Amino acid sequence: QKEVEQDPGPLSVPEGAIVSLNCTYSNSAFQYFMWYRQYSRKGPELLMYTYSSGNKEDGRFTAQVDKSSKYISLFIRDSQPSDSATYLCAMLPNSGYALNFGKGTSLLVTP
Amino acid sequence: KAGVTQTPRYLIKTRGQQVTLSCSPISGHRSVSWYQQTPGQGLQFLFEYFSETQRNKGNFPGRFSGRQFSNSRSEMNVSTLELGDSALYLCASRPSGSSGYNEQFFGPGTRLTVL
Repeated sequence: QKEVEQDPGPLSVPEGAIVSLNCTYSNSAFQYFMWYRQYSRKGPELLMYTYSSGNKEDGRFTAQVDKSSKYISLFIRDSQPSDSATYLCAMLPNSGYALNFGKGTSLLVTP
Repeated sequence: KAGVTQTPRYLIKTRGQQVTLSCSPISGHRSVSWYQQTPGQGLQFLFEYFSETQRNKGNFPGRFSGRQFSNSRSEMNVSTLELGDSALYLCASRPSGSSGYNEQFFGPGTRLTVL
C-alpha cells in the first residue's frame, strides 16, 4: 500500500463549479503538504503548500489539512477550463528530502 | 527568472543502451533532485545533488546514477536500459537557504522511451 493515496479520476465538472480534490495518507510523520498541478507534457507546478494542520488560501485555491483523519483537500472555486490538468498531492516529514506523491487526479473543466 | 530546463525533451533508445539526461536548475539554486514518473508508480525519488555531492538517494538500482557540476547543472545516467525504464524523468531545483524540501520547482521533464 502506498503511503499517499489519491483517486485518479477523471473528474469532469462544468465551468464555474467548485472542485474538491483529496488525498489520504498513512504516515503520521508527514508535516508538509503540497499541491502540484501538471499540464499535459509539462512538469509539475507547485500551487501551494501547508505546514501541519489548518487551511491556506491563495486566490481561487484553498488547501485544507486534517491530520487527525490523515486527509488533505484542495478546493478550486469558480473553476475555469484552464484549470484542466492533473493535480498531484505531495507530502514530507520534518527533515524529509524526498517528496511522497499521490498518483494524481485528472480534472477536466468543460465550458 | 528562467525556470528549470531539461534536455533533451524526448529520447528513444533500445534495450541495453545507456542514456544521459541533463538538467539546468533555476539560477542560484544549488540543490537538484531527480524523479521518475510512470503511470503505474507515479513520481518516485531517484536522488538529490547539492554542491556537486550526492546528498540523498532513493530506492533505485545502481544502473541509475548522476552527477552535478560546479555551475549546479546536473546529469543523470541510466545504463543497460530496460523496457521498464520508459518514463518521464523530472528534475527539480530548490532555493538555497530555503526552510526545507517543500519548495521544489520542476522542469518539463525528459520523456524516455525504451524499445
